[in-house]
Amino acid sequence: EPEVTQTPSHQVTQMGQEVILRCVPISNHLYFYWYRQILGQKVEFLVSFYNNEISEKSEIFDDQFSVERPDGSNFTLKIRSTKLEDSAMYFCASSPKDGFSSYEQYFGPGTRLTVT
Amino acid sequence: QKEVEQDPGPLSVPEGAIVSLNCTYSNSAFQYFMWYRQYSRKGPELLMYTYSSGNKEDGRFTAQVDKSSKYISLFIRDSQPSDSATYLCAMSQASGGSYIPTFGRGTSLIVHP
Repeated sequence: EPEVTQTPSHQVTQMGQEVILRCVPISNHLYFYWYRQILGQKVEFLVSFYNNEISEKSEIFDDQFSVERPDGSNFTLKIRSTKLEDSAMYFCASSPKDGFSSYEQYFGPGTRLTVT
Repeated sequence: QKEVEQDPGPLSVPEGAIVSLNCTYSNSAFQYFMWYRQYSRKGPELLMYTYSSGNKEDGRFTAQVDKSSKYISLFIRDSQPSDSATYLCAMSQASGGSYIPTFGRGTSLIVHP
């Protein structure tokens, strides 16, 4: 069964450093998402991506964040200068559809980011 | 008032019990209601979704939506230890709004043998 994969599973970085979180969405999916979940808190939407551009982003997704699909399979989230409050679980998700069918999102296992 | 409220639990039940998990919400524009299951150290997995009000059944799982009360429920019949996980409700708007889901905090369920 196809699944979304994410690497690394755990990333430790120092405050101010840049990190890149990687995701391989399901191969025939067209829509890609990043979410984060701070420990003990809700899953929060960061950004959605379609046709090589951002389709929607939340207020969390400020200038420190960027996304890219550098090739036909990978989808990355970059945090330019990490802050302590960026420590969270980051989930990638992909969907074959958008609009009212965007509930059909398949989540990866997540990358735990720890900023020290 | 928070948009989506969900009791974090934990909710501990014996195997075979009927489990009721609930969420309340404040945004009357929500039309799509989802339930996700999240095992420890895994990503959320979509269990069920419903559109607008009503019930939907899938095996041992039943989702209910009461839009007049802004209240949704997930029932699990004949609960199994393998059902032990965190259950997240999520909801989104229909046309004219964002389809991005707003999640609840999740309820931790423990089913003991």
